[in-house]
Amino acid sequence: QKEVEQNSGPLSVPEGAIASLNCTYSDRVSQSFFWYRQYSGKSPELIMSIYSNGDKEDGRFTAQLNKASQYVSLLIRDSQPSDSATYLCAVPPGAGSYQLTFGKGTKLSVIP
Amino acid sequence: EAGVAQSPRYKIIEKRQSVAFWCNPISGHATLYWYQQILGQGPKLLIQFQNNGVVDDSQLPKDRFSAERLKGVDSTLKIQPAKLEDSAVYLCASSPAGKNYGYTFGSGTRLTVV
Repeated sequence: QKEVEQNSGPLSVPEGAIASLNCTYSDRVSQSFFWYRQYSGKSPELIMSIYSNGDKEDGRFTAQLNKASQYVSLLIRDSQPSDSATYLCAVPPGAGSYQLTFGKGTKLSVIP
Repeated sequence: EAGVAQSPRYKIIEKRQSVAFWCNPISGHATLYWYQQILGQGPKLLIQFQNNGVVDDSQLPKDRFSAERLKGVDSTLKIQPAKLEDSAVYLCASSPAGKNYGYTFGSGTRLTVV
């Protein structure tokens, strides 16, 4: 069973700070990586994808990938209370697979 | 485009009863997934369809769960008989064939088994 590991949190940050969410995965051949946001009582929503080593920025969100370390992270700059949610890391269980294996998620609370 | 449709939104049943969930994927999406999400955990894949064929059902508890996707469009997931530990949100997701750009989830069905 391919593993995707995340700290369950909760992670609390003050409004305006940078929130850093981390994820490690076990399958070295994984080629694509995704971050989903899940508000309480709602279904997961895709917010970021990253396929190459390095950083990918989209507004206040930056995804960082290090395939050698099997590590992917999500940074949220200028955190807002509306960012309070559970963030799920998702990775395909092998090259060429289209299904996703999810971590348990990290619960983020942004304190006003 | 219309999203992934699921029904019902909520269901409460007694243990040993049966229940069925329905999913209509985004138009044109050949791949359909059913996930189970227990409270406090990440979604866990139950079954993956490509058109009307099963690609992966290795984590589906086949003694009580069944799923079908007739005509490669709508899908139903059935539990019979239900156990207390089946209480969870059942999520359906779809994606275009041959692409891994992530996928879109429906709103889910929250099942409570009492």
